[in-house]
Amino acid sequence: EPEVTQTPSHQVTQMGQEVILRCVPISNHLYFYWYRQILGQKVEFLVSFYNNEISEKSEIFDDQFSVERPDGSNFTLKIRSTKLEDSAMYFCASSEDPGGETQYFGPGTRLLVL
Amino acid sequence: GEDVEQSLFLSVREGDSSVINCTYTDSSSTYLYWYKQEPGAGLQLLTYIFSNMDMKQDQRLTVLLNKKDKHLSLRIADTQTGDSAIYFCAESSSGSSNTGKLIFGQGTTLQVKP
Repeated sequence: EPEVTQTPSHQVTQMGQEVILRCVPISNHLYFYWYRQILGQKVEFLVSFYNNEISEKSEIFDDQFSVERPDGSNFTLKIRSTKLEDSAMYFCASSEDPGGETQYFGPGTRLLVL
Repeated sequence: GEDVEQSLFLSVREGDSSVINCTYTDSSSTYLYWYKQEPGAGLQLLTYIFSNMDMKQDQRLTVLLNKKDKHLSLRIADTQTGDSAIYFCAESSSGSSNTGKLIFGQGTTLQVKP
């Protein structure tokens, strides 16, 4: 069964450093998403992406964040200058439906900013 | 604003039925979802219901939707120890111009005792 994969599974970084989180969506999906879950809190929407453009972004998704589909398979989330409060589990999701009716999630990347 | 609330914990005996409840605020949500998260894993889409339906059954899972009360429930029949996980309720955000943004509850930890 096709699945969304994410790398790395864990990432530890120093405050102020740049990180790139990688996702490989399901191959025939065209709609991509990033969510995050700070420990003990709800899963929060960050951004949706389609046709090489951001469709929607949340207030969390400020100028420190960017997304890219550098090739036909990868979908990346870059945090330019990490802060302590960026420590969270980051989930990538993909969907073949325009409204994202069925979003399939990856296993997540746990980011720890020291 | 949009919000989804769930109780945090439910404990049942193996073989009993489990009922996990959720309330939401956005009466214009198109879809409502249940996701399952096992330890160390991502969010697995269990089932979803279109907002014009009252009920959906899928093997041991029954979803009930009460639009008037903005209440969603997930019933797991004959609960097994393998059902132990965190269950997330989510709604599609109607304010998102149909970009697929999901609003999640905080998750209900289901503990199944042998």
